[in-house]
Amino acid sequence: DTGVSQNPRHKITKRGQNVTFRCDPISEHNRLYWYRQTLGQGPEFLTYFQNEAQLEKSRLLSDRFSAERPKGSFSTLEIQRTEQGDSAMYLCASSLALGVEQYFGPGTRLTVT
Amino acid sequence: KQEVTQIPAALSVPEGENLVLNCSFTDSAIYNLQWFRQDPGKGLTSLLLIQSSQREQTSGRLNASLDKSSGRSTLYIAASQPGDSATYLCAALYSGAGSYQLTFGKGTKLSVIP
Repeated sequence: DTGVSQNPRHKITKRGQNVTFRCDPISEHNRLYWYRQTLGQGPEFLTYFQNEAQLEKSRLLSDRFSAERPKGSFSTLEIQRTEQGDSAMYLCASSLALGVEQYFGPGTRLTVT
Repeated sequence: KQEVTQIPAALSVPEGENLVLNCSFTDSAIYNLQWFRQDPGKGLTSLLLIQSSQREQTSGRLNASLDKSSGRSTLYIAASQPGDSATYLCAALYSGAGSYQLTFGKGTKLSVIP
């Protein structure tokens, strides 16, 4: 069990560019979650997968955001046409089942200039 | 709207002191409540999870309690150490309408002074 990993750890991009983040969950966990955290705030839920199926999306997830989890393993979160307001820490978590402990990765810090 | 509140936003204590962090939630229909620790610029480390049917959970110097009727949870840290300095977040998992997303408070930033 190596924990949840996320790459890259830091990303600086210019406004209008597209970015993609990757999350590798704990190997036997079939639930995967994405959250966004801005400075001084708690994380906010973005989306949730059970295996490869995206079952829930927050209204925070605008049309510029898309998430996938092909084959129910790793997941990617893509942001198109980035805006300065997208600057945040993007956190990924996984769990073995619904309603049990969620384990978080180290996060990807995005800075949009 | 389901909300989680943590007061105070920041707390400073001398080393060795016992302390309590507070968390309140607006809807008693929670599935569970989880406490996390976050170091600056890092991800979240899970500390304790309390199921809605439980009253408390303990791990080492940490004890978390849950009172659904009053909408409150507390995290008790015994014999605080400088290494306990971090932001502590509580998060409620609500089970209504098939949603299983965690709702977080803004956290309490704890500083333990040597």
